[in-house]
Amino acid sequence: DAEITQSPRHKITETGRQVTLACHQTWNHNNMFWYRQDLGHGLRLIHYSYGVQDTNKGEVSDGYSVSRSNTEDLPLTLESAASSQTSVYFCASSDTEAIYEQYFGPGTRLTVT
Amino acid sequence: ILNVEQSPQSLHVQEGDSTNFTCSFPSSNFYALHWYRWETAKSPEALFVMTLNGDEKKKGRISATLNTKEGYSYLYIKGSQPEDSATYLCAFGSNDYKLSFGAGTTVTVRA
Repeated sequence: DAEITQSPRHKITETGRQVTLACHQTWNHNNMFWYRQDLGHGLRLIHYSYGVQDTNKGEVSDGYSVSRSNTEDLPLTLESAASSQTSVYFCASSDTEAIYEQYFGPGTRLTVT
Repeated sequence: ILNVEQSPQSLHVQEGDSTNFTCSFPSSNFYALHWYRWETAKSPEALFVMTLNGDEKKKGRISATLNTKEGYSYLYIKGSQPEDSATYLCAFGSNDYKLSFGAGTTVTVRA
């Protein structure tokens, strides 16, 4: 069965370190998204991609970067982790029509100390 | 940043009672309205996608309506059960494939 996975599921890191969160989907979806979930804010879009070599900034992109070298993967990198980036991160993918639902990964809980 | 609002933020329902809550969104540039169910420690799962004004969708005891002209959608839960306890997210879909999420309505069903 097709799925979307994230790793690690939990991560503790120190302020200033570079951290990369992995997202891998086997749906063969062109669109992939990264969100962060914070209390009172729901899901906020960090970065997204419409296909290989395409990346775009979302509403809360500062301090984050992504790259898309193949269809299946969209890793999220925190260049220099800050305590404000402590959050739960969700990756999602969708087919190329906006009416198609997004499929979410299980989430990564990141703590920056 | 699109303003998608959900109310109330949370509600408690007695088992067997019915309830409903609201999602409001911009009425311009509408493409689709999504509802997701999000259980604690799990990932959001799609309930409904609606695209046409007047759309009604139903899945078991849960149903949703859509009014694109005035920019709102209702989600209804009939005869609430403890397994309905979750956060329900609505999301405004624009024609660039992105979703703008509301903060969610957290439903707690008391046995």
